[in-house]
Amino acid sequence: GENVEQHPSTLSVQEGDSAVIKCTYSDSASNYFPWYKQELGKRPQLIIDIRSNVGEKKDQRIAVTLNKTAKHFSLHITETQPEDSAVYFCAASSPGGGADGLTFGKGTHLIIQP
Amino acid sequence: EPEVTQTPSHQVTQMGQEVILRCVPISNHLYFYWYRQILGQKVEFLVSFYNNEISEKSEIFDDQFSVERPDGSNFTLKIRSTKLEDSAMYFCASIFGLTGSSIQYFGAGTRLSVL
Repeated sequence: GENVEQHPSTLSVQEGDSAVIKCTYSDSASNYFPWYKQELGKRPQLIIDIRSNVGEKKDQRIAVTLNKTAKHFSLHITETQPEDSAVYFCAASSPGGGADGLTFGKGTHLIIQP
Repeated sequence: EPEVTQTPSHQVTQMGQEVILRCVPISNHLYFYWYRQILGQKVEFLVSFYNNEISEKSEIFDDQFSVERPDGSNFTLKIRSTKLEDSAMYFCASIFGLTGSSIQYFGAGTRLSVL
């Protein structure tokens, strides 16, 4: 089955700086890669996703890059703000059909220092 | 915006008891999922459900677990005889599915505490 590794487990950055979180996956058949943000005690919320036919996707301060050859993908947050503090999870699955559950990474606790 | 709703928000039970966690997926969604998250750990896939049957299940989803869609709106997860290690947050999720969109919408979760 799929295995997703995520690094770092904790990331502390100064407000206004950029944050980068990296994930690798093992199953070359995976072709859907969402990122979820989870605030303490709340549900995971999708913040951005990418499919394997795209190398990069951007939504305002958030961007995701995918390297299918190397089987890794990264989340980039620019101009970080205090409200970005949360746990971020990457995940992988096969899109379409819907049968496949998401395989999550272990999460990155992002701390934005004021 | 439509949401996946879960009840109860917190369930406390004694070891060995049966529990049923309830979910109402988004109304036009076709695929439903249960995940669990042990405190401080990652979210783990349990089972997916489509057209009134299980599509895929993980090795966590053993004979103690079952899922059901008893009516047109509810989707339930039953744990037959709870163990201490079943204590976790359980999330329900759903997707529309037919357009190829894979965005999974998560409910707020049920915190299960087994004593």
